[in-house]
Amino acid sequence: GDSVTQMEGPVTLSEEAFLTINCTYTATGYPSLFWYVQYPGEGLQLLLKATKADDKGSNKGFEATYRKETTSFHLEKGSVQVSDSAVYFCALSPQGNTGGFKTIFGAGTRLFVKA
Amino acid sequence: DTAVSQTPKYLVTQMGNDKSIKCEQNLGHDTMYWYKQDSKKFLKIMFSYNNKELIINETVPNRFSPKSPDKAHLNLHINSLELGDSAVYFCASSQDLADQYFGAGTRLSVL
Repeated sequence: GDSVTQMEGPVTLSEEAFLTINCTYTATGYPSLFWYVQYPGEGLQLLLKATKADDKGSNKGFEATYRKETTSFHLEKGSVQVSDSAVYFCALSPQGNTGGFKTIFGAGTRLFVKA
Repeated sequence: DTAVSQTPKYLVTQMGNDKSIKCEQNLGHDTMYWYKQDSKKFLKIMFSYNNKELIINETVPNRFSPKSPDKAHLNLHINSLELGDSAVYFCASSQDLADQYFGAGTRLSVL
C-alpha cells in the first residue's frame, strides 16, 4: 500500500543553519505530496504542496521539490529561526485525490532550533 | 475566528466511561475527518465524512462512533473508554479533495 517515510528526529540546529528533512514515498502513479507543520499545542497546518513531478512547493522560506525518479519530497530551508521549532509531517494523497479523503502521513520529524 | 474548533481541549476520565468530542468548522467545507495522534506523534485517520456521509472508516473499534448532524459538524463519541484510547484527537476539514484544515486537538487521558 501507499506509505511515507521521513527521517527520524529530533533534529537540533542552531539559528541560521541550513535545514533538510528527508521524505520518501511509495505510491502508484503520481500522488500529490505535502508538508504539514505542527507547532506546540496546535493542530497541523499545511506548509507547502506539489501536485505533479518536478513541481516545487514553497512557503515561508521552506521549499520541497517533487522528484518522481527518486520518489522523494525533501523539505529544505536556507536559514532556520527559533520560531521554526515544530514537528514537520510529510504526507501524500493518492493520484486523483489531492489533499482530501485518504491522505497518508509520515511519522513526523521534530525540529528544535537553538538561539 | 477559529476555522476548525474542537471541544473540549482536554479530557480526563476513568476507564469504562463514555465521552464525546465535538468539532465544528466555519469554512463551508463539505468533508470532515477525525485523526488520532499517539504519544510518538504518529497520525492516523479514523473517519471521514463527505456531505454527512461516511466515506472512510478505518480499522477502528466500534466503541468509536462518529456523528455528523450537518456538514459543519462532526462529533466523536467513545464508549467504554480504555487506557489505549489516550491520545490527541484531531478534527480536520477540506473542500472536496483540497487541502485539509486542522483543529487544535483534544488531549484525552484515560486513567
